[in-house]
Amino acid sequence: DADVTQTPRNRITKTGKRIMLECSQTKGHDRMYWYRQDPGLGLRLIYYSFDVKDINKGEISDGYSVSRQAQAKFSLSLESAIPNQTALYFCATSDLRQTNTGELFFGEGSRLTVL
Amino acid sequence: GQNIDQPTEMTATEGAIVQINCTYQTSGFNGLFWYQQHAGEAPTFLSYNVLDGLEEKGRFSSFLSRSKGYSYLLLKELQMKDSASYLCAVRDQTGANNLFFGTGTRLTVIP
Repeated sequence: DADVTQTPRNRITKTGKRIMLECSQTKGHDRMYWYRQDPGLGLRLIYYSFDVKDINKGEISDGYSVSRQAQAKFSLSLESAIPNQTALYFCATSDLRQTNTGELFFGEGSRLTVL
Repeated sequence: GQNIDQPTEMTATEGAIVQINCTYQTSGFNGLFWYQQHAGEAPTFLSYNVLDGLEEKGRFSSFLSRSKGYSYLLLKELQMKDSASYLCAVRDQTGANNLFFGTGTRLTVIP
């Protein structure tokens, strides 16, 4: 089983719908992140959380919100999806206490298509 | 802010050596990472440099020069399975120590 699990893996929705992408981890890491990946633009940070009570905006947070329900769970919501939110979304975790590099561990990705 | 540049695409022959370059400008450099990403899959960690010099890990090596804002990833004895995108990322102290990624270099290994 994957250490960082994302659901759903694929989703097609319509403009204006509310969408939630969920992420759970079994690594015991304190930090969790949401990135989106678009062709030619690379990975861009949407939101990040350093613990349950700490939520921070990333480079491209407009149109998104997040919830850190527990140390192991971090969900991303699109309140009213629009076509330019069509992308591959990745959840990631890290923990400098466990790895001296602080590298990111990624989930398998959630491909979202907004029609 | 951060600015990270790497070539978009490269092609190399099976068994050969390839070098993928990355240049960066960042306010508070605190480490450089290389990730491998096969099409449709999650990025996986390859290497980390925070001090100048070469880090070797099997067929893969990564080099850093902080004064030049430059890194490269060296892949030796290329195999077909090395066909993937290679992502350069820098950690920025002024950006809450988050990682900021380049657009990636898509490497195609040909027979």
